[in-house]
Amino acid sequence: EVQLLESGGGLVQPGGSLRLSCAASGFTFNNYAMSWVRQAPGKGLEWVSAISGSGDNTYYADSVKGRFTISRDNSMNTLYLQMSFLRVEDTALYYCAKGGWLNPLDYWGQGTLLTVS
Amino acid sequence: SYELTQPPSVSVSPGQTASITCSGDKLRDKYACWYQQKPGQSPVLVIYLNTKRPSGIPERFSGSNSGNTVTLTISGTQAMDEADYYCQAWDRTTALFGGGTKLTVL
Repeated sequence: EVQLLESGGGLVQPGGSLRLSCAASGFTFNNYAMSWVRQAPGKGLEWVSAISGSGDNTYYADSVKGRFTISRDNSMNTLYLQMSFLRVEDTALYYCAKGGWLNPLDYWGQGTLLTVS
Repeated sequence: SYELTQPPSVSVSPGQTASITCSGDKLRDKYACWYQQKPGQSPVLVIYLNTKRPSGIPERFSGSNSGNTVTLTISGTQAMDEADYYCQAWDRTTALFGGGTKLTVL
């Protein structure tokens, strides 16, 4: 059974930094691209970033480019999102999802909440 | 920038067919996915590659791609299908979601 468990969310002041993690299990992690998707309170889904299975290729939404860094540790089956220069508008529930560039997001975690205030 | 446009809301009576559209420039050249999200829950993939259904998704869910519009169709809509639905596609190296459609079954 595929499981994705996000952690690391919390309350951060504007301009601050935080790292989100996503522990994956139930599939061969390094065979799949992974993504982060966020959802502001009461709003729709917004794709944030994706990374290839090897970690060699990364992709970012314009809204986070230069501030967020996606990475992965395939030995630990863990996906990360390092967030810096956080803004109030980054406040959202951040989902980790299996899948990435040109592929569907076929499994999603429960999300971790980031509040920038 | 590339955008995907969905109607904010669609209503359907139980047992009837619901159609949710998603339009975007040159969408016919891309592969679209559809996600269902119920209140307080994570999104669930219901259609990928325009028309494919993941295992476990009921047959009443189907997808189509015509011109610059992709459509999610739910045949014999049930009360449990009431949810927000999002289309999604890749534009070069960026993933885009539509704004979402609230499906009401009444």
